[in-house]
Amino acid sequence: AQKVTQAQTEISVVEKEDVTLDCVYETRDTTYYLFWYKQPPSGELVFLIRRNSFDEQNEISGRYSWNFQKSTSSFNFTITASQVVDSAVYFCALSDYMDTGRRALTFGSGTRLQVQP
Amino acid sequence: GAGVSQSPSNKVTEKGKDVELRCDPISGHTALYWYRQSLGQGLEFLIYFQGNSAPDKSGLPSDRFSAERTGGSVSTLTIQRTQQEDSAVYLCASSRPGLAGEQETQYFGPGTRLLVL
Repeated sequence: AQKVTQAQTEISVVEKEDVTLDCVYETRDTTYYLFWYKQPPSGELVFLIRRNSFDEQNEISGRYSWNFQKSTSSFNFTITASQVVDSAVYFCALSDYMDTGRRALTFGSGTRLQVQP
Repeated sequence: GAGVSQSPSNKVTEKGKDVELRCDPISGHTALYWYRQSLGQGLEFLIYFQGNSAPDKSGLPSDRFSAERTGGSVSTLTIQRTQQEDSAVYLCASSRPGLAGEQETQYFGPGTRLLVL
């Protein structure tokens, strides 16, 4: 069975601080995809990034960066110079990889990030 | 282009009544998923549709839940004889097969918030 663990339930930072959200996953699949989604107060899940199991290159997009390490089964997310607009719940997710094409997501419990002005 | 749309955005019903929730995926997206987000269980996969193939219902919590997808597009999730534990946000997501990697990314609608009294 697949599992995603986000040990940090809630993080509070002051604007301009850097913050890292942790994600640890478990799977027996050799091919899989990892995701981060953002859920702002409006409730809609917003896609941030996708990573496949064969690509361990770190990625940077503006103030966001992601560190994928298969050796520790981790896929951590760092926000540099946080802003109030970054306040949201962030979910890490792992897809299965069925022959039917199904890519159902297993989500972590989410990390609520509060950025104070 | 337009994103995934869901209706109604909110639904209040009495225990024992049936409800129907609608999802309109992104145009051209042949894969469609339903998830449930509840306080106790987090985000859970419910059902998967791919084109005209038989749906994967492995995530449905009971036989009171069913879903259909007409014409490979709009989907309806039906909950019969609703119970208080069915109160949750029901999220729909769609994805597009074809481009490597892109089929793995699910784009979510705003959800339907269901409250069973």
